[in-house]
Amino acid sequence: ILNVEQSPQSLHVQEGDSTNFTCSFPSSNFYALHWYRWETAKSPEALFVMTLNGDEKKKGRISATLNTKEGYSYLYIKGSQPEDSATYLCAFPPRTGTASKLTFGTGTRLQVTL
Amino acid sequence: NAGVTQTPKFQVLKTGQSMTLQCAQDMNHNSMYWYRQDPGMGLRLIYYSASEGTTDKGEVPNGYNVSRLNKREFSLRLESAAPSQTSVYFCASSPGTSGWEQYFGPGTRLTVT
Repeated sequence: ILNVEQSPQSLHVQEGDSTNFTCSFPSSNFYALHWYRWETAKSPEALFVMTLNGDEKKKGRISATLNTKEGYSYLYIKGSQPEDSATYLCAFPPRTGTASKLTFGTGTRLQVTL
Repeated sequence: NAGVTQTPKFQVLKTGQSMTLQCAQDMNHNSMYWYRQDPGMGLRLIYYSASEGTTDKGEVPNGYNVSRLNKREFSLRLESAAPSQTSVYFCASSPGTSGWEQYFGPGTRLTVT
């Protein structure tokens, strides 16, 4: 089983703060890196799928970067809003075999307060 | 489009009972997946189907069986439920297997007593 580690486990910020969290994965076996957003009582929703070293993706105030050589991805949220409160998951499929077998991290739980 | 739908939303079983969780998608996706989510464990893959007619084991397949009934439907069966199978079960689908994002259903909360 490949280890996907996320830090911090939880984060509490105030509205307007910018924040970032990390996903670490084995750099020797890279195929793609997924980021998902999971609101309480809902189901996970895809944010990004990143495949190339140096990739940067953006969706509104959320962006992500990827470093496959050192095995990490950062997710940034600019000017956090209460509606950004959710758990942010990253997931990683192995290169060998099928890319379907995503291994998920346990997530970073973000809480944004007024 | 409804996306990915799951039935039932909630279920309580007694140990030893069997049941089937149903999942359907209307996005013409080739690949479908079943995950379970437990506190502190994150999402873990039970089984997946890369395409119609194929299924394969994920990380935690013991105690489960699956059927890819057609391109739209992928069911998960618990033959003899155990308390360790108390969990929230999510079905997901994706257009293919290579670098595609997955779309999740609303989940089924299963309690085995």
